[in-house]
Amino acid sequence: DARVTQTPRHKVTEMGQEVTMRCQPILGHNTVFWYRQTMMQGLELLAYFRNRAPLDDSGMPKDRFSAEMPDATLATLKIQPSEPRDSAVYFCASGLNRQHVYGYTFGSGTRLTVV
Amino acid sequence: GQQVMQIPQYQHVQEGEDFTTYCNSSTTLSNIQWYKQRPGGHPVFLIQLVKSGEVKKQKRLTFQFGEAKKNSSLHITATQTTDVGTYFCAESYNQGGKLIFGQGTELSVKP
Repeated sequence: DARVTQTPRHKVTEMGQEVTMRCQPILGHNTVFWYRQTMMQGLELLAYFRNRAPLDDSGMPKDRFSAEMPDATLATLKIQPSEPRDSAVYFCASGLNRQHVYGYTFGSGTRLTVV
Repeated sequence: GQQVMQIPQYQHVQEGEDFTTYCNSSTTLSNIQWYKQRPGGHPVFLIQLVKSGEVKKQKRLTFQFGEAKKNSSLHITATQTTDVGTYFCAESYNQGGKLIFGQGTELSVKP
C-alpha cells in the first residue's frame, strides 16, 4: 500500500531551537495538508498545498512557523524558534483532488516535545 | 468560520452494544468524510458522503448524511474491541478546499 512518510517520528528539542519536519506525500497526490494534534485542540489545520502552491496557512502562527513544498515529493514544516507550547503530534496528509474529492492518507506523524 | 461539532466527546460501551456519533453544522456542508484514529495511531479514512440523505454501509458501520446536509452520523452495530479509537468527521470545504475536523468521539469498548 502507498504511504505518506513523515520524518522524524519523534523529536525532543530545547526551547529556542529550530525544528524541521518532513513529509513525503504519495506519488501522484496533488494536495498536502499539515495538521497539529493536541488533547486540548484536537486536529488543527496548519497549512495546505495544491500542486505545490500554498492555498491556506491561516491556521499557522506566522511568526515562527513556515511550510513549504520545494518539490512534489517533499513538504516541510519548520518551527523557529520552538516553544514548549508547540509540543504536539504533527501530521501530514496527502490526497488527490481533481473534479472529485477523495479521502486523504495520513502519515504516522511526528511527535514533537519542546522542553 | 467553518465548524463541525461532534458529539458525544466520549462513549464507553459494553462489547456487543451499539454506538453512534453525530456531527452537526450550522451551515450546509459540502460533503462529509469520516476517519478513525486508533490510540497512538494516525487518522485513517473510512468514507465520504456527498449527497443529501445518503446512506452508506461498511459491514457493521452505517454512515448517514442528513437531508439538509447539515448533519451526519456514524453508527456501529454490535461493537467489538477492535472498534476502539476516536472517530472524526471532517468537512472538505468547497469540494476540495480545507479539510476541517470535528473534535472527535472517543470510543472505548469493555469486553
